[in-house]
Order: sequence, then C-alpha cells, then structure tokens
Amino acid sequence: DAGVTQSPTHLIKTRGQQVTLRCSPKSGHDTVSWYQQALGQGPQFIFQYYEEEERQRGNFPDRFSGHQFPNYSSELNVNALLLGDSALYLCASSRTEQETQYFGPGTRLLVL
Amino acid sequence: AQTVTQSQPEMSVQEAETVTLSCTYDTSESDYYLFWYKQPPSRQMILVIRQEAYKQQNATENRFSVNFQKAAKSFSLKISDSQLGDAAMYFCAYRSASSRGDMRFGAGTRLTVKP
Repeated sequence: DAGVTQSPTHLIKTRGQQVTLRCSPKSGHDTVSWYQQALGQGPQFIFQYYEEEERQRGNFPDRFSGHQFPNYSSELNVNALLLGDSALYLCASSRTEQETQYFGPGTRLLVL
Repeated sequence: AQTVTQSQPEMSVQEAETVTLSCTYDTSESDYYLFWYKQPPSRQMILVIRQEAYKQQNATENRFSVNFQKAAKSFSLKISDSQLGDAAMYFCAYRSASSRGDMRFGAGTRLTVKP
C-alpha cells in the first residue's frame, strides 16, 4: 500500500521564479492538505483540497495556489518566490476532509 | 485563535527508560482532536497517536500513551521502554472538529535516546 508521495525531493530556485510541487495521496484518500515547515519550526497549514476545490486556507498570500486533479493528486504552486519561502513543504492526505492526515516525505525548497 | 505550546525544546532519555513530553493548547471549542506526530531526520511526519476530545479514556498505542487533561488543556505523551529508533522531533497538533483540515502544530520537542 503506497503512502503519500511527493516530488521533487529537493529544489533550488532564485528569487522571483515560480515553482510547482507535486503530491500523490495515499491509496483510498481523496483529500490533500499542504503545509510549510520553516527550519526549526512546526508545520503551518497552507490550504486543503477536496473534490478538486480549495476548501480551507491558512494565512498565506495569493502567491501560493494549488490544484487537485480528478485522481486526487495535487500541486502546490508558488509565484514570485521570496527568500523566506525556503522551507520544507509537506503534503498530507486523508480519507475525507476531517479524517486523520498522513504525511509525505516533503519537498525541500531553497530560494537563493 | 487556537495555539499549541510545547515548552520543552529538547529532552533526553536513557534507552529502556520512560520519558514524558509536554503539550498545552489554547481553544474555546469543546470538540476537537489532538495528535502527536514524530519527525525523524528522514523528515517524514509519522502519526504516533490521536485523541478525540470527547473521549475521556486516554489513547494508547503500544509503548506510547497520552495523558489528556481537557480542563487543563494539557496533552502529554509518554514513551515507555524507549528505543534508539524513538529519537526524533515530536510535534503536538490540534485540529478543531469544525475545521476541514487546518492542524495547528507546536514548535516541537527534540528527543534524544542515549544507549
């Protein structure tokens, strides 16, 4: 039973560029949530996707956007990258919007 | 706003001993869920244990158990018979029952296990 997978594992970008991160949920899960984890901190909720719609959003600017596909996989897009966007980006999936979330290994983004 | 506080940035325990990690939270809601996640150096967050606020009985999962004090808004994790593989960052998290997915995490506690 495949768990949550994310790609790529690492990414280096420069300020002002755009980045797309990808997530495939655990088998049987239809909901995907994204989190940003800065170094030395706990994860912060970015948004959640269910039925291909953004259902809830944390305190992140519009530069952060996402998408969910019919197969439940999801993308996180970040435009106009800032140095402060450097972080570990975690994807979590759940059976429904309110069930327990299971995390992927994350994508480490470095913005230079 | 709901906040989660982990007051112990670092803890250490001798192998085979017991250790307790502390967590407090602030909420005005009565229905919510609490979690402990483990994040080893591999970075992947692993669910350790989950507690529903409406349940009075403390959750247990093998060597892991919690002490849930709803009135005190306290949710500590006890690890018994500590093993080297328990070494990791441990995060306490809160989610409102009315929230679709917004989990609030504490800053984490780094647990070291000494052989």
